[in-house]
Amino acid sequence: GESVGLHLPTLSVQEGDNSIINCAYSNSASDYFIWYKQESGKGPQFIIDIRSNMDKRQGQRVTVLLNKTVKHLSLQIAATQPGDSAVYFCAEQTSYDKVIFGPGTSLSVIP
Amino acid sequence: GAGVSQSPSNKVTEKGKDVELRCDPISGHTALYWYRQSLGQGLEFLIYFQGNSAPDKSGLPSDRFSAERTGGSVSTLTIQRTQQEDSAVYLCASSFWDNEQFFGPGTRLTVL
Repeated sequence: GESVGLHLPTLSVQEGDNSIINCAYSNSASDYFIWYKQESGKGPQFIIDIRSNMDKRQGQRVTVLLNKTVKHLSLQIAATQPGDSAVYFCAEQTSYDKVIFGPGTSLSVIP
Repeated sequence: GAGVSQSPSNKVTEKGKDVELRCDPISGHTALYWYRQSLGQGLEFLIYFQGNSAPDKSGLPSDRFSAERTGGSVSTLTIQRTQQEDSAVYLCASSFWDNEQFFGPGTRLTVL
């Protein structure tokens, strides 16, 4: 199988601070990128996506940045809250092809 | 509307037995995906269906694993002669063509 992580990297942030989660993707032909949030015991949940013709997209408290030059994706969470504690996965996809998930980052919010 | 559902939610089986996992995608979704997630790890792609056909089976770990999808809807993932290393959470997701995937709650498989 692909994209099996070993030990998840962990990011700890203070409640109220901004969080930045980074992801390097592998396929320069990928044209669709997604961030998922997975809480303990649940399946991944869609947060935000971005197409390759954009470099920034904003949602509610979340912003995704795409740098195609260096194949880098980031998720910014503003005013991080305890409910944001979860594992965050980036994913890349080429049109009509399978999605490839990154290894995930565990975000821990300190009250 | 109803999301992706999976059954059973938990399955405990003995080594060597066969198991069948079921996924009911969101109605109207054309694509269906199976993933495996071991404890504390990322998502491992297994297989992907577009309609009833599986253009990509590259993620299936061995020939003990098979999957089918009928009527462009329900899918079953079958694991024959289960081994302890098959223990994991098996996640199903569906999407409308290549848009974002919606995940089910998963089936936790434990092979004793």
